[in-house]
Amino acid sequence: AQSVSQHNHHVILSEAASLELGCNYSYGGTVNLFWYVQYPGQHLQLLLKYFSGDPLVKGIKGFEAEFIKSKFSFNLRKPSVQWSDTAEYFCAVNAMGSGGGGNKLTFGTGTQLKVEL
Amino acid sequence: GAGVSQSPRYKVAKRGQDVALRCDPISGHVSLFWYQQALGQGPEFLTYFQNEAQLDKSGLPSDRFFAERPEGSVSTLKIQRTQQEDSAVYLCASSFDRRRGYTFGSGTRLTVV
Repeated sequence: AQSVSQHNHHVILSEAASLELGCNYSYGGTVNLFWYVQYPGQHLQLLLKYFSGDPLVKGIKGFEAEFIKSKFSFNLRKPSVQWSDTAEYFCAVNAMGSGGGGNKLTFGTGTQLKVEL
Repeated sequence: GAGVSQSPRYKVAKRGQDVALRCDPISGHVSLFWYQQALGQGPEFLTYFQNEAQLDKSGLPSDRFFAERPEGSVSTLKIQRTQQEDSAVYLCASSFDRRRGYTFGSGTRLTVV
């Protein structure tokens, strides 16, 4: 079964600092990869997704992520964070193939980001 | 509506009580998922429907948990004889196809006392 690891559980940054949140997954086959964000009191929202093609994916609000197959990683980046980026960020994988579990998403435990003014 | 609607938003149940949580997916979305999110954790898969067929229920933690989607639209997650460890946020998500992503509802926060 696939699993997802998010190494940073809590991150505190000052506004304008650069952000990189780590995400690694364990599954040897083809994967679809996602980053979701959950702002305080709101539902999970899709930031970006990777299915195939260019491994550098751009999402909403200036976020991007890079799929590095050899490292089983899909790290989230933003060059300059804003106070409004304070939220919890979840990496998720959908594993394809017979051993992949079908359409379901497997989530990491999340990273709580706090951006200070 | 434009999004996935879940009700109730909050539910307090006494231990041993049965509860029913409702999910109204986006119209036309074939796939529907239920997830359980404990405090400080990521969502954990419970079960998956494609139209009215429950194709995967491998994540249901016990036989006290039951889900249905009889007409391929609205779904209900039922928990019988609730226990304290059932306290969590229950999330519903729907999807037209996986390439378009999954849309989540706001969840139902269940507290068992």
